[in-house]
Amino acid sequence: AQSVAQPEDQVNVAEGNPLTVKCTYSVSGNPYLFWYVQYPNRGLQFLLKYITGDNLVKGSYGFEAEFNKSQTSFHLKKPSALVSDSALYFCAVRAEDSSYKLIFGSGTRLLVRP
Amino acid sequence: DTAVSQTPKYLVTQMGNDKSIKCEQNLGHDTMYWYKQDSKKFLKIMFSYNNKELIINETVPNRFSPKSPDKAHLNLHINSLELGDSAVYFCASRRTGGGSYNEQFFGPGTRLTVL
Repeated sequence: AQSVAQPEDQVNVAEGNPLTVKCTYSVSGNPYLFWYVQYPNRGLQFLLKYITGDNLVKGSYGFEAEFNKSQTSFHLKKPSALVSDSALYFCAVRAEDSSYKLIFGSGTRLLVRP
Repeated sequence: DTAVSQTPKYLVTQMGNDKSIKCEQNLGHDTMYWYKQDSKKFLKIMFSYNNKELIINETVPNRFSPKSPDKAHLNLHINSLELGDSAVYFCASRRTGGGSYNEQFFGPGTRLTVL
């Protein structure tokens, strides 16, 4: 069965510093991976996805993610964090059955301090 | 120009009542989903519809009944509400054509509180 793990409940980083939010996955076939962000009392917003091709995927708001097949990881990164990046981040994998539902990780709260 | 909208945004009700949540998308997508986010923020799929046809029912109690009158709408009716149904319910939609890896677009959520 497919699954996603986000090992950190919370990541703290100072504004201007680089940030990484970790995600590992488990699938039997090719992984289709997504990152979403949820701001307080808001819905989920799509950040980026990995389908195939370059291992470094660029997305919205200056975020990027690095796909690593050997480590089955898809970590979210940003070179310079902003206070406004503080939110809840979800990694997800697309199901391999015909439903194509998203299977989400447990979420990581990012706190960027001024 | 809202892409995926849900009504109501907040719903507070008593145990045992029946309530409905509505979802509409104006993106021209043909697949729609309901997800439940619990108090620990964990997100889990409940239902999926493709072209008005149910394709996922993820071991959800039969008190929950989705209805899709057309491709742009997916409503969720809940009978005999229980305390454990308190959660945020998210609707999402996705375009099927052009690739099976299209991202899903989410609505703003409906916060259901059962007293």
